[in-house]
Amino acid sequence: NAGVTQTPKFQVLKTGQSMTLQCAQDMNHEYMSWYRQDPGMGLRLIHYSVGAGITDQGEVPNGYNVSRSTTEDFPLRLLSAAPSQTSVYFCASAPGLAGETQYFGPGTRLLVL
Amino acid sequence: GENVEQHPSTLSVQEGDSAVIKCTYSDSASNYFPWYKQELGKRPQLIIDIRSNVGEKKDQRIAVTLNKTAKHFSLHITETQPEDSAVYFCALLKGSNYKLTFGKGTLLTVNP
Repeated sequence: NAGVTQTPKFQVLKTGQSMTLQCAQDMNHEYMSWYRQDPGMGLRLIHYSVGAGITDQGEVPNGYNVSRSTTEDFPLRLLSAAPSQTSVYFCASAPGLAGETQYFGPGTRLLVL
Repeated sequence: GENVEQHPSTLSVQEGDSAVIKCTYSDSASNYFPWYKQELGKRPQLIIDIRSNVGEKKDQRIAVTLNKTAKHFSLHITETQPEDSAVYFCALLKGSNYKLTFGKGTLLTVNP
């Protein structure tokens, strides 16, 4: 099993550009989530999903959209990138619906100029 | 959302000593308390977790204790080794809202 995979590893955007961060898992997990990690802030939940077709907001959802059309994939979209979205983004998945025992992907480092 | 305070923010110990990191929370409905280890440039990895119906859990040199009355839980690492050097995050989950909330992390440095 590859576990949780994320692409790209690193991305540079200009302010106002859009992009999609990809996340996939091959463990048949129902729960998936997106976090951003900023220095001194820990990890903050952006959006999460408890199954295909079901998504909900986390702590910091503004500026981000998600969808969950399959169990395996959970892409994160930035519609109009801002410098404040410069961060490291982690995707995670968990075997249960509650979000316990989350396994993280390797992360995407995003720089918005 | 749920607030979790983590202390200390940095901790330096000598190899072989013990290290303790503490987290406090406010919502008594929180029922799942994991700890994650993140090495520099790597992803967070779950190292141990505890549920609200258990007071203590051990896994070799790592243990977690939970005091539901006082609303705090702690990570204990005994016989520390240089490879234990990393950032450690506590987190908690309230089962009814599916949202994992993290502390701000503790940078542990184990000096040889």
